[in-house]
Amino acid sequence: DTEVTQTPKHLVMGMTNKKSLKCEQHMGHRAMYWYKQKAKKPPELMFVYSYEKLSINESVPSRFSPECPNSSLLNLHLHALQPEDSALYLCASSLNLGQGTYEQYFGPGTRLTVT
Amino acid sequence: GEDVEQSLFLSVREGDSSVINCTYTDSSSTYLYWYKQEPGAGLQLLTYIFSNMDMKQDQRLTVLLNKKDKHLSLRIADTQTGDSAIYFCAESMQDSNYQLIWGAGTKLIIKP
Repeated sequence: DTEVTQTPKHLVMGMTNKKSLKCEQHMGHRAMYWYKQKAKKPPELMFVYSYEKLSINESVPSRFSPECPNSSLLNLHLHALQPEDSALYLCASSLNLGQGTYEQYFGPGTRLTVT
Repeated sequence: GEDVEQSLFLSVREGDSSVINCTYTDSSSTYLYWYKQEPGAGLQLLTYIFSNMDMKQDQRLTVLLNKKDKHLSLRIADTQTGDSAIYFCAESMQDSNYQLIWGAGTKLIIKP
């Protein structure tokens, strides 16, 4: 089973709203990722968690706040977003991080629209 | 430097073979990946190859790696309408803690 699930599939929010995106995997992977993808572009890395600790933050604005409550779950809390934050948000996981490659498995994404 | 390049579009007839090409520049890269993204969907890992290999085959998919020219290709045999998607090439490098460096993606268009 190489499944990563994400909820919700679609989200429309106003600029003053607070919402959260959720990601779950049960493959025993210890690295989890958030990516942002604009239409017809490759994904851009936002955050990486390794063993439930934030390992990489690619200079993402503080209106995006990641959280890893346990090794299977990854959240992305959203607050005071801008219309340009509208995108497909992808979660991925891999067995581990660094020391060789561990292929990343992606979820279906959450399509976010900020109005 | 870190750069992965792909042509943006490829059009093939149904039943023909598709060959999607990718070039990379970093000599320290170790793994090279092909991901498929259908409209409105996430990224599906198709296959990957270690940089000390020349070829990898998996059913209809064949990956060829030319290390001298830093050229990677993905061949899809007997292309079907379900193969219509954007195909991303990506490399992971030891220098970047094995984070993925992505190409721009090649949109594969299938003609009947």
